[in-house]
Amino acid sequence: DAGVIQSPRHEVTEMGQEVTLRCKPISGHDYLFWYRQTMMRGLELLIYFNNNVPIDDSGMPEDRFSAKMPNASFSTLKIQPSEPRDSAVYFCASSLVGRGTDTQYFGPGTRLTVL
Amino acid sequence: AQKVTQAQTEISVVEKEDVTLDCVYETRDTTYYLFWYKQPPSGELVFLIRRNSFDEQNEISGRYSWNFQKSTSSFNFTITASQVVDSAVYFCALLPRDDKIIFGKGTRLHILP
Repeated sequence: DAGVIQSPRHEVTEMGQEVTLRCKPISGHDYLFWYRQTMMRGLELLIYFNNNVPIDDSGMPEDRFSAKMPNASFSTLKIQPSEPRDSAVYFCASSLVGRGTDTQYFGPGTRLTVL
Repeated sequence: AQKVTQAQTEISVVEKEDVTLDCVYETRDTTYYLFWYKQPPSGELVFLIRRNSFDEQNEISGRYSWNFQKSTSSFNFTITASQVVDSAVYFCALLPRDDKIIFGKGTRLHILP
């Protein structure tokens, strides 16, 4: 089975530009999570979905960040406008059942650099 | 407070030595889950183990073993006969019943040939 798929793997953009990160969870997984990893703050949960519905977005840093899950096999994390401090690795993860009480399987991550 | 502490920021050992990575957690919940993840230099996060708060049995998987002690709120990870391929950052994580998952800062492990 394919694991969690993320695209692009690397993204370099200029400050002020819109950035869209994409994620395809493992088929059949009901939960999808977006994380951000930086040296300063480590791994942080940004938002998670259950059955395509956002459940908790309290980790989203500010209004410039938005996430959607239009169907069970696709999610996006958008940053508009992007800023240099958004530079980080963004991970998507999915789990089968439970409020994440099941194991979360991570995608390879998207390394975002905002110049 | 809900918290995960990995006090060892970085560890270096010579290949074939045993090494233990410490993880101490704090939670107000009686039901919770603990995890260990490995992040090799390639950057992906690899699940290693999940343990619930009601199961204090230690677990062994090949060269890996985990020691869960509720009395000391610790969930330590030991690699026996370490290998260069074990070099990675290892994260301990806590998922309380009524809160979000919390990751420790990670321990960077260097296995020297």
